[in-house]
Amino acid sequence: GENVEQHPSTLSVQEGDSAVIKCTYSDSASNYFPWYKQELGKGPQLIIDIRSNVGEKKDQRIAVTLNKTAKHFSLHITETQPEDSAVYFCAARRAGSYQLTFGKGTKLSVIP
Amino acid sequence: NAGVTQTPKFQVLKTGQSMTLQCAQDMNHNSMYWYRQDPGMGLRLIYYSASEGTTDKGEVPNGYNVSRLNKREFSLRLESAAPSQTSVYFCASSEAPHSNQPQHFGDGTRLSIL
Repeated sequence: GENVEQHPSTLSVQEGDSAVIKCTYSDSASNYFPWYKQELGKGPQLIIDIRSNVGEKKDQRIAVTLNKTAKHFSLHITETQPEDSAVYFCAARRAGSYQLTFGKGTKLSVIP
Repeated sequence: NAGVTQTPKFQVLKTGQSMTLQCAQDMNHNSMYWYRQDPGMGLRLIYYSASEGTTDKGEVPNGYNVSRLNKREFSLRLESAAPSQTSVYFCASSEAPHSNQPQHFGDGTRLSIL
C-alpha cells in the first residue's frame, strides 16, 4: 500500500521567516495530495491541496509544490505568524481509492 | 453551518465495556470515514462508507464495527473495549469517494480505556 513519510517532525521558526515541510510518497499512482492543519483540541482542517496534473499551487502565504518524478511534495508557508503554530499533516490518495494515507505530522512553532 | 459533529467529546471506559461513537454531517456528503489518531502515528483509517448503505474496512478495522444509519449519520462501535483502543477518534465526510474532493473532519472524540 501507499506509504507517506513527512519531515521534519518538529520545526521552530521566528515570526516572519518561512517554513517548509516535506513529504514523500511511495505509490506512483497517487494523484491527490492535501495538506491539513490541526490546532490543539481540534480536528484537521484542509489548508491547501494539489492534484497530480499541477506542479505548484498558491493561496496567499501558503504554497504547495509537487514533483511527480521524485514522488515528493512540499508545503511552504511564508511570513509566518504565531497563529500558524499547529501540527501539519500531508496526505496522499491513489487514483480510484477511497483511502487517504497520512504522514505522521509536523509540529510547527512560530516564535514571536 | 455545523459541518461534521461528533458526540461525545470525551469518554472514559473500563476494559470490556461497549460504546458507540456518533457522527453526523450536514453538508449532504455521500462518503463518510472514521479515523483514529495516536501520538506519533498520524491518522489511520478504521472504516469508511462510500455511500449510504455501504461500509468497508480501512487500515485498522479490528475491534470495531460501523453503521451508516442514513446519509447524514455514521456511527462507530466498540463491542468490548481494550486499552489499545485508547485514542482520539475523528469522523470525516467528503462529497464523493473517488473524486479528489477534500475530506472535512469533526473535532474528535477523546476516548480513554482503563
